[in-house]
Amino acid sequence: SYVLTQPPSVSVAPGQTARIPCGGNNIGSKSVNWYQQKPGQAPVLVVYDDSDRPSGIPDRFSGSNSGNTATLTISSVEAGDEADYYCQVWDAYNDHDFGPGTQVSVL
Amino acid sequence: QLQLQESGAGLVRPSQTLSLTCAVSGGSISGGTYSWGWIRQPPGQGLQWIGYLYHSGHTYYNAPLRSRVTISADGSSNRVSLNLTSVTAADTALYFCARMAPMGSFDAWGQGALVTVSS
Repeated sequence: SYVLTQPPSVSVAPGQTARIPCGGNNIGSKSVNWYQQKPGQAPVLVVYDDSDRPSGIPDRFSGSNSGNTATLTISSVEAGDEADYYCQVWDAYNDHDFGPGTQVSVL
Repeated sequence: QLQLQESGAGLVRPSQTLSLTCAVSGGSISGGTYSWGWIRQPPGQGLQWIGYLYHSGHTYYNAPLRSRVTISADGSSNRVSLNLTSVTAADTALYFCARMAPMGSFDAWGQGALVTVSS
């Protein structure tokens, strides 16, 4: 399987920018998806194919992917952005791989 | 609007079979380029994919579970099913069904079904 790494937690003040890295060997060659999961809820896709947003997702959420790191960026962070965030790839062996998740706390 | 709803037994005895069904409404599970998957989340842990039914009809399973899992679909009832045999306490989790888009993202999820394995 393909190993993805994420920091366990990221803290950010309201109105500031949160950057959540997702590491993987040559991840820049893969398509990365990001999910937001709030307590007691199902995950929600917030970024797909590295940097595209599903309809209904605010443009405060953006993604990038290069080299060995993909990054989810949340601009102008709000209290409602507190959640766990997971990166995910669909690898060349038709397997799915999820990162361990990053808990975003809004100070 | 596409909706997915998981259902099944919430308590399963060790060594027995876990069976869940995902009812899909607002869209057909047959035809097109979407696939249908199952993902689980043990209490307090992250997401683990179980497997998916590709739109071609082929199934793909996570290697550690491959010998125990079966995913199937019933187009007439628009349902996707998950069977996991010989369960242990390690299979206790919240089980989600999800639609998989052509590029591999899961763009629609059910609310999840909690399954506890205990005697």
